[in-house]
Amino acid sequence: DAGITQSPRHKVTETGTPVTLRCHQTENHRYMYWYRQDPGHGLRLIHYSYGVKDTDKGEVSDGYSVSRSKTEDFLLTLESATSSQTSVYFCAISGGQGVNQPQHFGDGTRLSIL
Amino acid sequence: DAKTTQPPSMDCAEGRAANLPCNHSTISGNEYVYWYRQIHSQGPQYIIHGLKNNETNEMASLIITEDRKSSTLILPHATLRDTAVYYCIVSRSIGAEMYSGGGADGLTFGKGTHLIIQP
Repeated sequence: DAGITQSPRHKVTETGTPVTLRCHQTENHRYMYWYRQDPGHGLRLIHYSYGVKDTDKGEVSDGYSVSRSKTEDFLLTLESATSSQTSVYFCAISGGQGVNQPQHFGDGTRLSIL
Repeated sequence: DAKTTQPPSMDCAEGRAANLPCNHSTISGNEYVYWYRQIHSQGPQYIIHGLKNNETNEMASLIITEDRKSSTLILPHATLRDTAVYYCIVSRSIGAEMYSGGGADGLTFGKGTHLIIQP
């Protein structure tokens, strides 16, 4: 497995509370991504990062913010969680030597907003 | 990214070769074909990718037609642990030298093919 650790693995919280998910990598890869997976939608890109302090929006970025203060960590924050953000969240990384390096995924965080 | 079409489900007998088709008739010249699989509740697992030549690694082979409008993923000797949803994705290269200013592509996952390996 690529060196990706997502934390927490499971979280239950209430509507309106802030939530931060962490993705930590040990591969020194440049690119990091956050996806969410919901039944009937497949995986959808939320935000991605192409370097320290360099981030951009994906397909479903509303309600989410991200930060990358060092290469190994990419944080996803839900400022005020809503029930529609109940989902499984996956982090991915890519980079390394050579072109067209594939993305590798973490094991996911299962988030429930009550 | 170009869209892909895959059958929703397939069965294969254990020990036989599993051949998973994918149509990507609108693929662009700079788009690669990637295959991932996802075993229930786990993160997607990268399998293989290619541009126009056939590729083989320890997990699978990828056969891309000459016109690049379709491809087939081959698992040569399927086992029960290969039961999963398989995703065919087309995407631009994300090599750093191409996107030094950012713009790395996310992968667009469709519904995939649910491959069931029968004992």
